Amino acid sequence: GENVEQHPSTLSVQEGDSAVIKCTYSDSASNYFPWYKQELGKRPQLIIDIRSNVGEKKDQRIAVTLNKTAKHFSLHITETQPEDSAVYFCAATSPFSGTYKYIFGTGTRLKVLA
Amino acid sequence: NAGVTQTPKFQVLKTGQSMTLQCAQDMNHEYMSWYRQDPGMGLRLIHYSVGAGITDQGEVPNGYNVSRSTTEDFPLRLLSAAPSQTSVYFCASKNTGELFFGEGSRLTVL
Repeated sequence: GENVEQHPSTLSVQEGDSAVIKCTYSDSASNYFPWYKQELGKRPQLIIDIRSNVGEKKDQRIAVTLNKTAKHFSLHITETQPEDSAVYFCAATSPFSGTYKYIFGTGTRLKVLA
Repeated sequence: NAGVTQTPKFQVLKTGQSMTLQCAQDMNHEYMSWYRQDPGMGLRLIHYSVGAGITDQGEVPNGYNVSRSTTEDFPLRLLSAAPSQTSVYFCASKNTGELFFGEGSRLTVL
């Protein structure tokens, strides 16, 4: 089955700097890679996702890159702000191929220092 | 449109007691799932369902039962609670890509 590894577990950056979180996955059948943000005491919410037919996707200050050959994908946050402080989770799944398990990484706690 | 609704939000149990966490969604999603969240362990999949009458095990199914008699509801049952089941539980549903989470249920087993 799918296994997703996420690094680092904690990350501290100065406000305005960039943050990068990396994930690797094991199942080559996975073709959908979302990122979720969880603020303290709240539910996880989707912030960006990428499908396997695309190498990069950007939405304002956040971007995700995917390397299918190496089976890894990364979240990039530029010009970080205090409200970016949260726990971020990556996931890998293949919703259109009949493999329905939606497996998450162990999370990265991002702290943006003012 | 309430989304995914979980009850109760908080529960304290004694070891050996049983209980059911309720989950309901009003988005007509076929896929529903339960996760537990523990510090440093991320979100671990307990059970999932791809439609009424169909359930399957996730990563950590032991000690939990589920059923899916309707599209809307997906209850999670703890038959004999153990301290190791102290956790925050999230129910989530989806159609294709994005998972929609409930607000979570914090369970403490003494």
